[in-house]
Amino acid sequence: AQSVTQLDSHVSVSEGTPVLLRCNYSSSYSPSLFWYVQHPNKGLQLLLKYTSAATLVKGINGFEAEFKKSETSFHLTKPSAHMSDAAEYFCVVRGRGTASKLTFGTGTRLQVTL
Amino acid sequence: GAVVSQHPSRVICKSGTSVKIECRSLDFQATTMFWYRQFPKQSLMLMATSNEGSKATYEQGVEKDKFLINHASLTLSTLTVTSAHPEDSSFYICSASFTGGGSYEQYFGPGTRLTVT
Repeated sequence: AQSVTQLDSHVSVSEGTPVLLRCNYSSSYSPSLFWYVQHPNKGLQLLLKYTSAATLVKGINGFEAEFKKSETSFHLTKPSAHMSDAAEYFCVVRGRGTASKLTFGTGTRLQVTL
Repeated sequence: GAVVSQHPSRVICKSGTSVKIECRSLDFQATTMFWYRQFPKQSLMLMATSNEGSKATYEQGVEKDKFLINHASLTLSTLTVTSAHPEDSSFYICSASFTGGGSYEQYFGPGTRLTVT
């Protein structure tokens, strides 16, 4: 079985400062990991994904994440926050197989202040 | 590409009635569709997985007789909430995936907000 733990339920940053959203995973095999963003009352948008290729993954809107096996982490970062980044962020791990289930973390709400 | 739509986006119904939510893959054939439920300020919980032409596989604790899933074609899956009650009020999100190129990535619909009065 696989799982993800998002260490912070809420993160607040000032506009223009770096963003760090933390995620640790647990998996008995090499996992596929994702970060999704959800704006209020909207569906989910894929930010980036790791599928056993390069450990530093670049996504949309300036976000990136680094897969660190030794630390079982997949933290999401962005050098400079923008007001439009305020949303809920989910770290997700995918199971194996053709009907691969996604297991979602509990989410981190990012607040961006002026 | 890989767009998934849901209809309706928002629905209000009376307790005891049934509501059908549609999930469509607009520009690809979805071999598998997934239905999730999200309570306010909570994460997504998988309800069931469906493959075209076969019965859905429900997660533990999800009542299959209450949440009827039909995956009649490679582009359409429906979720019917039967005899809805206020506790069924939630945000329902579907996703669709296909196995083209070895990718099993899920593409999410925009969600349906169900309110049962």
